[in-house]
Amino acid sequence: GQNIDQPTEMTATEGAIVQINCTYQTSGFNGLFWYQQHAGEAPTFLSYNVLDGLEEKGRFSSFLSRSKGYSYLLLKELQMKDSASYLCAVVDSNYQLIWGAGTKLIIKP
Amino acid sequence: DVKVTQSSRYLVKRTGEKVFLECVQDMDHENMFWYRQDPGLGLRLIYFSYDVKMKEKGDIPEGYSVSREKKERFSLILESASTNQTSMYLCASSSRLDYNEQFFGPGTRLTVL
Repeated sequence: GQNIDQPTEMTATEGAIVQINCTYQTSGFNGLFWYQQHAGEAPTFLSYNVLDGLEEKGRFSSFLSRSKGYSYLLLKELQMKDSASYLCAVVDSNYQLIWGAGTKLIIKP
Repeated sequence: DVKVTQSSRYLVKRTGEKVFLECVQDMDHENMFWYRQDPGLGLRLIYFSYDVKMKEKGDIPEGYSVSREKKERFSLILESASTNQTSMYLCASSSRLDYNEQFFGPGTRLTVL
């Protein structure tokens, strides 16, 4: 079967750094997406990785290791507005997205 | 600004009713998707469409049907709503399947009583 694992919930302090992990076992791999979803809103695109390594975009970075079936999203200089759920999704061999359940990130002042 | 819109943000229906959820995108995207999102579970694909009048079953198609008569519009139909179909329904679209970045609508929270 196909499986995406992420922690259910994480808590961090404003101004700090947090790393949200995602491990996957899927039938094929054609890329990995991270999305952000604020409560009651639609998911919005954050990053895409298809090759091993780190992709940096402002305060957010995403890392991929295909051999380990592992990715993480790194958020720096946390702000209160970063309180949201973060969804990991893997593109499988049929080019469909397989979604993790999401990690709810709580930012405390 | 790219946009995916859904016909309702909140909907309350009774068991056995026929329910229509509509989704419209203005990005000229080929591919459109219907998901449901439930607490503790990832987004689960109900149906998708990669062209007008084409549809493919996703992971949980039972109890649902879809219609795509025009490129910009993708409708989800619950033929006879049941309480276990109470959920958040999200529509999405993408331009390419090989790089399947999906753009989402705001969602419809459906409650079936």
